[in-house]
Amino acid sequence: LVLTQSPSASAPLGASVKLTCTLTTGQKTFQTFAIAWHQQQPGKGPRYLMNVNSDGTHSAGDGLPDRFSGSSSGSERYLTISSLQSEDEADYYCQTWGTAIDVVFGGGTKLTVL
Amino acid sequence: QVQLQESGPGLVKPSETLSLTCSVSGDSINTYYWNWIRQPPGKGLEWIGYIYSSGSTTYNPSLKSRVIITVDTSKNEFSLKLTSVTPADTAIYYCARGDRELHPWGQGTLVTVSS
Repeated sequence: LVLTQSPSASAPLGASVKLTCTLTTGQKTFQTFAIAWHQQQPGKGPRYLMNVNSDGTHSAGDGLPDRFSGSSSGSERYLTISSLQSEDEADYYCQTWGTAIDVVFGGGTKLTVL
Repeated sequence: QVQLQESGPGLVKPSETLSLTCSVSGDSINTYYWNWIRQPPGKGLEWIGYIYSSGSTTYNPSLKSRVIITVDTSKNEFSLKLTSVTPADTAIYYCARGDRELHPWGQGTLVTVSS
């Protein structure tokens, strides 16, 4: 299973942005995979944000602002951040589990807030 | 509130063994799975492996021949050993809890491999 993310994204302060994580596998069971989103602010360790399930529902980590939401469509899992703030500028990684390698990360998306 | 803290030498010589420990507070290590992940400077995250309290382990196949993860339930900590290191093993090493989503994470510790 491979998780693919765009290397970079940008959006103005106060706007919304939708980050994508695409699941690719030789089998068609990818549609059942849930993923987790993690945020890594500059110079800090990763922080868990939420799970996004294959049915489009999401479960957020404790204290996560409701500006952050998750959704899915087919092989894609999304993280949407609304009302962008300067502190949202960070790297965002998707992560899944239960594959042949057990834990897999996407390559990460660097989000720039303009 | 669960907290994880990595510790160990920040500099290791090539061909030697990297050894790190993750101390867990606020939760018993007798539940959940416990992971090691690394991040080379300026690059993405790579999962190394995890251990359950029973001692059962699973490793990333790309590192399996060089990795040993152990757990000490009496000290509520788990450890990583990576043998025969090269400069390519230079990275920030993180520990994290979970067998699904990884949460929470430690703050990470930088290990440099250099003579």
